[in-house]
Formats: sequence, C-alpha cells, structure tokens
Amino acid sequence: EIVLTQSPGTLSLSPGERATLSCRASQSVSSSYLAWYQQKPGQAPRLLIYGASSRATGIPDRFSGSGSGTDFTLTISRLEPEDFAVYYCQQYGSSPAISFGQGTRLEIK
Amino acid sequence: QVTLRESGPALVKPTQTLTLTCTVSGVSLGTSAMCVSWLRQPPGKALEWLARIDWDDEKYYNTSLKTRLTISKDTSKNQVVLTMTNLDPMDTATYYCARAAARQWWFDPWGQGTLVTVSS
Repeated sequence: EIVLTQSPGTLSLSPGERATLSCRASQSVSSSYLAWYQQKPGQAPRLLIYGASSRATGIPDRFSGSGSGTDFTLTISRLEPEDFAVYYCQQYGSSPAISFGQGTRLEIK
Repeated sequence: QVTLRESGPALVKPTQTLTLTCTVSGVSLGTSAMCVSWLRQPPGKALEWLARIDWDDEKYYNTSLKTRLTISKDTSKNQVVLTMTNLDPMDTATYYCARAAARQWWFDPWGQGTLVTVSS
C-alpha cells in the first residue's frame, strides 16, 4: 500500500498570501494519478485537482497542482477567506489499492 | 447534475450488520462508465475508501475490509447498497458515497455523508 504523508499538518496564513501544501508518497505514484480535495467542517470533500495538475470543473484558477513520482504540491496562489479548510491528497495509481493522506489544515493566521 | 444521497441507521450495536443506501439522481446507474464508491471518515480522521461498483456490475473492495463488505446496486431504483458485517466501535464514522468515472479513481461529486455510531 502506498502511504501518503502530507505536510505541514497545520498551515497558518492570512488572506491574500500564497499557500503551498505538500504530499509525499512512500512509492512512486504511476502516471501522476494523484488528486486533491478540500473539506470544510461538516461538509463532504470537494474534488479540486486530478491527474496531479488538472483542475476539476468549476475550481478557480488560483488552485494549481504539480509534481510527479513521489512528491506533489497543491498551491493556492492568493488565499480567499473561503479557502481555509482541510486539504487531502489521494493516490489512485495503484487502484483499487487507493489511499489518502492524513490532511493539512489551512487556518487563518 | 449528478447528486448522491446516503441513508441508513445513525446507531448500530457492536457485532450487528450495517446496511447503507446511496440514492443517485441525475444519471442512471446503468449508464456506461457510471461508477459509485463508498468511503468513510472517522471523527477527526482521514478518509478511507471501502468499495466500488461499476455500471457493468464489476466490484472492487478494500482488501483489509473485504471479508466484511458487500456492495450491490439496484438499477431500477438507482441505488447502491453497502453492507458491513460484525460492526465494532472503530467503525464509527461518516460514510460517504461518491461517483467515479470508468477507469478513474477520483471522486466527484460526493454525497453529504451519514454519521454512523457503533455503540451498545
């Protein structure tokens, strides 16, 4: 099973700043099969990025994904108040043995 | 617009069997490339994928839970059912169903989730 480790555990930033979230895999993720989700309290996760860098429908272009192999990054170029949430990465390169990271909490500084 | 809605009991006793239903709207489960997964999230913890069923009735299970899970669908009702046997308090979680496309394993959209508590 591929283990995903997200860092930092908590990121404290102010609106307007740039956020960089990391997801590291214990083995190479084939074909960059990595997705990112946003989850707000009491809500279901929302797909942001798939294929490491493709934005899902309706996702603002301030969200971008990059990376390959074992190192992936989600970048939010300029934080809006509604962006403060928990973010999860998910690998599906070894499907159906897919796995999620433990999450990064993005909080207002 | 595709929407999913989970339903099931909020409280289950240890050792009992849990049955959850996912009702899909906006697309037929018989549509080519329509796939539905179940996932769960214990309170304050990360997500875990459980099972998936495809439009052609192909099924996939989390290997660590495979002996306890059964996934099925009723195309006439547009529902996907997940049963989990021998429940334990560690199975307390919010259970979600979500759509995936054929040969893809990202999930979009998700249902709103249903909280299941396992307690005597």
